[in-house]
Amino acid sequence: KAGVTQTPRYLIKTRGQQVTLSCSPISGHRSVSWYQQTPGQGLQFLFEYFSETQRNKGNFPGRFSGRQFSNSRSEMNVSTLELGDSALYLCASSPRQGDTEAFFGQGTRLTVV
Amino acid sequence: GENVEQHPSTLSVQEGDSAVIKCTYSDSASNYFPWYKQELGKRPQLIIDIRSNVGEKKDQRIAVTLNKTAKHFSLHITETQPEDSAVYFCAASGRGSGNTPLVFGKGTRLSVIA
Repeated sequence: KAGVTQTPRYLIKTRGQQVTLSCSPISGHRSVSWYQQTPGQGLQFLFEYFSETQRNKGNFPGRFSGRQFSNSRSEMNVSTLELGDSALYLCASSPRQGDTEAFFGQGTRLTVV
Repeated sequence: GENVEQHPSTLSVQEGDSAVIKCTYSDSASNYFPWYKQELGKRPQLIIDIRSNVGEKKDQRIAVTLNKTAKHFSLHITETQPEDSAVYFCAASGRGSGNTPLVFGKGTRLSVIA
């Protein structure tokens, strides 16, 4: 069974631009969560999608948004990029919400210059 | 929402010694507590988890304990080896009316010195 796939692996963007990251979950998994990882801050929760609906949202500004498609693939978008958005963005898929193992992708390394 | 605190942020132990990492959580509705290991340049991977109806769980050299009353849980690694060197994250989530997402602590960088 294929694992969680994130594309692209690396991105370099300029301040003010926008970016879209993609996540393909494990087949059969309906829950996709996104996390921002920065040194010293650990894994900060962005949002969680289940059955094409956003079910939970973390404390990030409205510039961060996402969506989930009928095949459970998910995208996250960051508009008006800031230098502080430079981070590793990880998505994780699970068969269901809540109390179950989350399987992580390899992440997308975003650098804002 | 849920808040998870993790201590210490860094930990160095001699090979063969034990390592203990502690976490506290805030939401009494949380009922699932996994631990993830992230090696340098790699994705986080689950190493052990515990549910709220269990007080302790072991898997070879790794054990996790949970105190629901005090809202804290701990990871214990015995007979540490150099390959245990990594960043460890605790997390908490719940399944209930809120279906709380998986919220992580800030991580503990464990270094095992040979």
